[in-house]
Amino acid sequence: NAGVTQTPKFRILKIGQSMTLQCTQDMNHNYMYWYRQDPGMGLKLIYYSVGAGITDKGEVPNGYNVSRSTTEDFPLRLELAAPSQTSVYFCASKRTDDTEAFFGQGTRLTVV
Amino acid sequence: GQQVMQIPQYQHVQEGEDFTTYCNSSTTLSNIQWYKQRPGGHPVFLIQLVKSGEVKKQKRLTFQFGEAKKNSSLHITATQTTDVGTYFCAPSGGYNKLIFGAGTRLAVHP
Repeated sequence: NAGVTQTPKFRILKIGQSMTLQCTQDMNHNYMYWYRQDPGMGLKLIYYSVGAGITDKGEVPNGYNVSRSTTEDFPLRLELAAPSQTSVYFCASKRTDDTEAFFGQGTRLTVV
Repeated sequence: GQQVMQIPQYQHVQEGEDFTTYCNSSTTLSNIQWYKQRPGGHPVFLIQLVKSGEVKKQKRLTFQFGEAKKNSSLHITATQTTDVGTYFCAPSGGYNKLIFGAGTRLAVHP
């Protein structure tokens, strides 16, 4: 099993550009999450999903969008990149609300 | 929401010393999970506590859930350099969101 796979690992964006961070899991997990982690800081929840077709905002959703058309995939879209979105982005999944979460390796995004 | 506060934010110890981090909530929690993130890595699940007053051990790590299920602690006995990282707690069970505490960063000096 690959677990949770995030692509790309690194990306440099120019201000105003758009991109999609990919996240896929092969564990048939219902719950999926996107976090951002600024240097030396904690994990902030951006968006989450409890199943295909269902998404909801987390703590810091502004500037991002998500979709969940399949159980496996949970892409995160940045429409107009801003320097404040420079961060490390983690995707995570879990089977139910009280089971352990598995994290991807992260995507390091720099907006210049 | 199920916000939790973690203290301390940062602690550095000499190798061999003990370390404790605390996770506190103003409301009663269903369960609490603990994760560890090594520098440059991703968070990794350590344990979940479910019962009031529960104590679980993993080698030198001891996890405790308070009697009122409003606080939890992680204690490391005789720290080693491999313990370096950030320890996060997160409420679980009955919450769709998975929101983490701010974390405690542990530095271990050899």
